[in-house]
Amino acid sequence: ELKVEQNPLFLSMQEGKNYTIYCNYSTTSDRLYWYRQDPGKSLESLFVLLSNGAVKQEGRLMASLDTKARLSTLHITAAVHDLSATYFCAGTTSGTYKYIFGTGTRLKVLA
Amino acid sequence: DGGITQSPKYLFRKEGQNVTLSCEQNLNHDAMYWYRQDPGQGLRLIYYSQIVNDFQKGDIAEGYSVSREKKESFPLTVTSAQKNPTAFYLCASSIGRGTYQAETQYFGPGTRLLVL
Repeated sequence: ELKVEQNPLFLSMQEGKNYTIYCNYSTTSDRLYWYRQDPGKSLESLFVLLSNGAVKQEGRLMASLDTKARLSTLHITAAVHDLSATYFCAGTTSGTYKYIFGTGTRLKVLA
Repeated sequence: DGGITQSPKYLFRKEGQNVTLSCEQNLNHDAMYWYRQDPGQGLRLIYYSQIVNDFQKGDIAEGYSVSREKKESFPLTVTSAQKNPTAFYLCASSIGRGTYQAETQYFGPGTRLLVL
């Protein structure tokens, strides 16, 4: 069964710095998703990565997918305080509608 | 505006009581899901439904029950058999039609369940 692992679990970074969150998955996953959750709130979809080599960017966030390495990354460029949140990756297995979530990365951007 | 609504926002359960959490969507999505989130933790799948009148157990279905009588609605009942129900419950939906692979999920605002 598909397993999804994220690291780091916690990330504290200074404003203006760059950093990367990693998402490893155990078996073939057709698609890889990234979500953001603000404290006490629901999840908001950020990116859907469909195929090997896929790269998507929105503002200071860029997500990529390497299916051969079973790895997705979420890169943060020049972090700002508003990016403080918990970020989740999730994958699905072909033929199912079952999403498997990672444990999340709690990001805190310090001014 | 299309979206997912959950009610109530907060729910208090007494010991031995069954409670039902509501989830409604007007996105015309076929697939719906229930997740449980404990403080500082990720999401765990309780039940999911790919189509009306059909649903499957997720990873932590014990102590929970669901129904899917209408496309728009997927209520979750937390039964008295669930001994530790205090958590944040999230409902989600996705297009999920036919053999097309799953699209991104859209989440409701959540229901916070507390035990008295």
